[in-house]
Amino acid sequence: AQSVTQLGSHVSVSEGALVLLRCNYSSSVPPYLFWYVQYPNQGLQLLLKYTSAATLVKGINGFEAEFKKSETSFHLTKPSAHMSDAAEYFCAVSDQGGKLIFGQGTELSVKP
Amino acid sequence: DGGITQSPKYLFRKEGQNVTLSCEQNLNHDAMYWYRQDPGQGLRLIYYSQIVNDFQKGDIAEGYSVSREKKESFPLTVTSAQKNPTAFYLCASSIGLEQFFGPGTRLTVL
Repeated sequence: AQSVTQLGSHVSVSEGALVLLRCNYSSSVPPYLFWYVQYPNQGLQLLLKYTSAATLVKGINGFEAEFKKSETSFHLTKPSAHMSDAAEYFCAVSDQGGKLIFGQGTELSVKP
Repeated sequence: DGGITQSPKYLFRKEGQNVTLSCEQNLNHDAMYWYRQDPGQGLRLIYYSQIVNDFQKGDIAEGYSVSREKKESFPLTVTSAQKNPTAFYLCASSIGLEQFFGPGTRLTVL
């Protein structure tokens, strides 16, 4: 069975600092991986996805993620945090039948 | 504009009542999904449908029902059998692997 673990339910960074949100996955087949962002009381918006092409994936709003098979990780990074990045972030893995299995989410706070 | 709409945005229900949440998409996607979101628990799959007139249970289907009579519509009914229905409900649709989400409905049981 596939699963996703997000390390840290809450991450706080200062504006301008590096953002690092951690995601580890478990999958018996080559995974398809996703990062979504959710602003309060809204739906989810896709940030980026890994579908077995380049291991470094660039997404919207300056975010990127690197697929590391040896570490079963897909951590999300952004070099410089903005106040507008404050939101909840979800990592997800596809079961290749189209269903997504989500991590528990990481809430990102950005301090001025 | 193409997208997914959910209504209502907020819904209040008395205990023992059934309520139906609407989800409509004009993206021409075949597959549609319903998720429940609770604080600290991520999103959990309730039901999904990959084609009209067919749907499957997800991980937490008990106390919920769905129908898929039209490609564009996938309503979710929260029945009185759902013991703890207060949550944020999200509908999604997909073509291929990427899912697109609606804005959600927040259901509160009074």
